Amino acid sequence: AQTVTQSQPEMSVQEAETVTLSCTYDTSESDYYLFWYKQPPSRQMILVIRQEAYKQQNATENRFSVNFQKAAKSFSLKISDSQLGDAAMYFCAYIYGGSQGNLIFGKGTKLSVKP
Amino acid sequence: NAGVTQTPKFRVLKTGQSMTLLCAQDMNHEYMYWYRQDPGMGLRLIHYSVGEGTTAKGEVPDGYNVSRLKKQNFLLGLESAAPSQTSVYFCASSKLLGGSYEQYFGPGTRLTVT
Repeated sequence: AQTVTQSQPEMSVQEAETVTLSCTYDTSESDYYLFWYKQPPSRQMILVIRQEAYKQQNATENRFSVNFQKAAKSFSLKISDSQLGDAAMYFCAYIYGGSQGNLIFGKGTKLSVKP
Repeated sequence: NAGVTQTPKFRVLKTGQSMTLLCAQDMNHEYMYWYRQDPGMGLRLIHYSVGEGTTAKGEVPDGYNVSRLKKQNFLLGLESAAPSQTSVYFCASSKLLGGSYEQYFGPGTRLTVT
């Protein structure tokens, strides 16, 4: 069975500092996609970053980057120069290619940003 | 371009009452999904649809029914609400397979069953 595990229920970071959120997953598929979604207090699910498993290069989106370790089945999110607006729940999610779109989510990490 | 919208945003039901949640998307997406989110949990898939007139069960389908009569709409029904169905419900849509697999989410509906 495919599973996604986020081992850090809560994290805290000082404004302007860097923080890394962890995610591991379990799959026997070779073609899959990984995502980080942000959920602020407004509840809206916002896609932060996406990684295709066939790509060796780690994805980056401005201050957000991932460390994708395929052999270790690890997909961590690094937030640089943290801002107050980064405070939110962050969910790691997985989907395998050829599925009918069933995203599998981790339980989330609540990130607090201290001024 | 509104993206994915959900109606209503909040609802309180008594045990045994019924209701329908409406999801609409204007992106011409083939796939649509209903998830529920409970405290301390990620989102779990209730039902999904791969096209107009089709529906399929997800991870937690019991107590819910769905219909996709029009491509842009996906309805989630609770025939006899139970306190265990108190949750936040999210609708999402995505393109056909072969794309980026990105799902676009609605703003959520907070449902309380007393």
